[in-house]
Amino acid sequence: DVKVTQSSRYLVKRTGEKVFLECVQDMDHENMFWYRQDPGLGLRLIYFSYDVKMKEKGDIPEGYSVSREKKERFSLILESASTNQTSMYLCASREQGPRYEQYFGPGTRLTVT
Amino acid sequence: EDQVTQSPEALRLQEGESSSLNCSYTVSGLRGLFWYRQDPGKGPEFLFTLYSAGEEKEKERLKATLTKKESFLHITAPKPEDSATYLCAVQAVDGGYNKLIFGAGTRLAVHP
Repeated sequence: DVKVTQSSRYLVKRTGEKVFLECVQDMDHENMFWYRQDPGLGLRLIYFSYDVKMKEKGDIPEGYSVSREKKERFSLILESASTNQTSMYLCASREQGPRYEQYFGPGTRLTVT
Repeated sequence: EDQVTQSPEALRLQEGESSSLNCSYTVSGLRGLFWYRQDPGKGPEFLFTLYSAGEEKEKERLKATLTKKESFLHITAPKPEDSATYLCAVQAVDGGYNKLIFGAGTRLAVHP
């Protein structure tokens, strides 16, 4: 079974803090993704990575950056957290190839006060 | 613009009362349509992938079907443990990369 883990289930940070969210997958997947999920808006793609040290912007990259130094690990960074970044953050991974199903981690509920 | 719309937003069923959830989409060249189940406070769990019109997939009480414009998730004789949010997503190409576009989901509540 694919396993995607995220470093925290719940996180509370103050405005202006630098926040790191970490994601690890154990299936040797090449592709990894970061989404945020807000009520009524569905999942929106923040950043994705198709390979180590490679990153691409998704639909809502503003205020975020990412790092992928190792194949199994994909980090999301909020350089200066703001209250409008309060959300559920979901990491996903998939294997390279024609099948596009993505496998998700349990999510991190981030609250910025 | 690629778009996914799910209906209804919320659905309440009695145990054993069969029903269907709808996912309509507009995308240039469908490459895949995906159904996920999401329990409160958890990440989405993959259920099905459908690739072409007429295709059907089944898993326990769930059956997903696909036409050229929409997909249905049929739930037969649901049980309370089927209560969850069901998400639909389509695979689209943007800037040379594939990505998933998600609908907002249907919240299903099954009462005993």
